[in-house]
Amino acid sequence: GDSVTQMEGPVTLSEEAFLTINCTYTATGYPSLFWYVQYPGEGLQLLLKATKADDKGSNKGFEATYRKETTSFHLEKGSVQVSDSAVYFCALSEDRDDKIIFGKGTRLHILP
Amino acid sequence: KAGVTQTPRYLIKTRGQQVTLSCSPISGHRSVSWYQQTPGQGLQFLFEYFSETQRNKGNFPGRFSGRQFSNSRSEMNVSTLELGDSALYLCASSDTGELFFGEGSRLTVL
Repeated sequence: GDSVTQMEGPVTLSEEAFLTINCTYTATGYPSLFWYVQYPGEGLQLLLKATKADDKGSNKGFEATYRKETTSFHLEKGSVQVSDSAVYFCALSEDRDDKIIFGKGTRLHILP
Repeated sequence: KAGVTQTPRYLIKTRGQQVTLSCSPISGHRSVSWYQQTPGQGLQFLFEYFSETQRNKGNFPGRFSGRQFSNSRSEMNVSTLELGDSALYLCASSDTGELFFGEGSRLTVL
C-alpha cells in the first residue's frame, strides 16, 4: 500500500541555519503531496502542497519540490527561526476522497 | 469563520469503558475525517465521512466506529477501551481536498 517515510527526529538547529527534512513516498498512482506542521498544543496545519511532478510548493519561506523520479518531496528552508520549532509531517493523497497518509513526523527544535 | 471544534479536549477513561468524541467541522464542509495520533505509530487514518456516508475506512478494529449527522457534525466512538487506545484523536474537515484540523481530543485510558 501507499506509504510515506520521513527522516527521524528530533532535528536541532541554530537560528538562521539551513533546514532540510527528507521525505520519500510509495504510491501506486500519481498522488498529491503535502507538508503539514503541528505547533505545540495545536492541531495540524497545511504548510504547502504539490499536485503533480515538478511542482514546487512554498509557504512562509519553506519549499518542497515534487520529484517523481526519486519519489521524494523534501522540505527546505534557507534560514530557520525559533518560531519554526514544531513537528513536520509529510503526507500524500492518492485521490479526492480526503484520505491522507502521513509520515511519522519530524520534530524540529530551533535554538536561539 | 470558526475552525474545526473538537470536544472534549481531554478525557480519562478506564479499560473496558466506552468513549464518544465529537467534531464540528467548518461551516459548509461536508467531509470529516478522523485520525489517531500516537508517539509510536504517528498519525493513522481511522475513517472519513461525506454527507452522512462513510466513504473510507482505515485498518482499525470494529471497536472504533463513527457517524456523521445531517449538519455534518461527526462523532466517533470507541468501545471496550484498551490501554493502547490512549492517543490524541484528531478530526479534520474539508471541502476542496485541503484538510483543516481541530486541536484534538486527548484520551488517556488507565
